[in-house]
Amino acid sequence: AQSVTQLDSHVSVSEGTPVLLRCNYSSSYSPSLFWYVQHPNKGLQLLLKYTSAATLVKGINGFEAEFKKSETSFHLTKPSAHMSDAAEYFCVVITLHASGGSYIPTFGRGTSLIVHP
Amino acid sequence: EAGVTQSPTHLIKTRGQQATLRCSPISGHTSVYWYQQALGLGLQFLLWYDEGEERNRGNFPPRFSGRQFPNYSSELNVNALELEDSALYLCASSPVGELFFGEGSRLTVL
Repeated sequence: AQSVTQLDSHVSVSEGTPVLLRCNYSSSYSPSLFWYVQHPNKGLQLLLKYTSAATLVKGINGFEAEFKKSETSFHLTKPSAHMSDAAEYFCVVITLHASGGSYIPTFGRGTSLIVHP
Repeated sequence: EAGVTQSPTHLIKTRGQQATLRCSPISGHTSVYWYQQALGLGLQFLLWYDEGEERNRGNFPPRFSGRQFPNYSSELNVNALELEDSALYLCASSPVGELFFGEGSRLTVL
């Protein structure tokens, strides 16, 4: 079984300050982890993904995330927020079976990032 | 390379009617996932199709159904529409282990 918990429903930051969006997961097997961003009335865009290579993953628009197996976490960070970062962010886990199949991708409930001028 | 395309962009129906939403995956992707995103409820898994077969469905009533065609495009049908079916319906295609999303179809039930 797998699950994802996004620890904050809303995060509010000022432009130019760091961003931290928290995600914890559980998985019976080795997971692949993703962060997606959704701007209002749009589809989801992939920010970055972890698939068992380097534990520090760099994504688009200056975002990065670190996979910490001991803490079962995959938090998303950015050194300096921009107004255009205001959006909904989703953490996603997909677990691949040893047989090669996979669970249904499981989404966190989302974190709304608010950026103040 | 064309991304995932969904149609229609917007659809307005009345209670009791039927809605049909369409999705064309990225070329070469055989899996299609459907999600419902209702206001305040996050993304809820609806259906997963792969190689023309339904592989799994979420906790939705049978009036939500769909199919996948030989070219891997997919349809989502919602019968006997209810007000709470108003939502953004997102389709995603997948090679293995990653999702590529379309822009969604906004269904409004009056």
